[in-house]
Amino acid sequence: ETGVTQSPTHLIKTRGQQVTLRCSSQSGHNTVSWYQQALGQGPQFIFQYYREEENGRGNFPPRFSGLQFPNYSSELNVNALELDDSALYLCASSVKLAGARETQYFGPGTRLLVL
Amino acid sequence: RKEVEQDPGPFNVPEGATVAFNCTYSNSASQSFFWYRQDCRKEPKLLMSVYSSGNEDGRFTAQLNRASQYISLLIRDSKLSDSATYLCVVNPGGGWGKLQFGAGTQVVVTP
Repeated sequence: ETGVTQSPTHLIKTRGQQVTLRCSSQSGHNTVSWYQQALGQGPQFIFQYYREEENGRGNFPPRFSGLQFPNYSSELNVNALELDDSALYLCASSVKLAGARETQYFGPGTRLLVL
Repeated sequence: RKEVEQDPGPFNVPEGATVAFNCTYSNSASQSFFWYRQDCRKEPKLLMSVYSSGNEDGRFTAQLNRASQYISLLIRDSKLSDSATYLCVVNPGGGWGKLQFGAGTQVVVTP
């Protein structure tokens, strides 16, 4: 196991609602990345947090936002949910070291269904 | 053009046989490369990193061809437990850890 945990495992929401997903990083990891994986697709990068600051963002609208806490746990918030937001949301933790290859380890994901 | 492209398969492989498949990536400046394995409705799990000189981990061999911008994975002596979707993953660099994933290649090992 990777030591990365996510909650909840499954969630059902309706259009227009807001959702908060949570991730607990592997011990010693200072970086967390969030991905969205639609059915039949590879994961798509949403954003990354390093030492509590956003450290890069993919092609997602501002209604996708995040936080990283001092203990390196993280939240993904999605406002004004749309049907297309239905997906598996994955967080991945890693250690960012200068000049070193960064390897990301994934949590089990939260499966979100928007009705 | 997608950033990382893979043949979706499925590759149907008899147990004990060898299977190989590639992926191509569009960004020539990409810095690091990985193969992840994903079982149905589960999270991706790191299978192996891919190094410029090629590398092997047991029955798995990965190759990188920077000139042609492709990565390959070869599985020897396939086991039933190798049935999964294999995700080709590229880190385009730029100082932060965005990973670009292919859509995956499905491998089905049959008895």
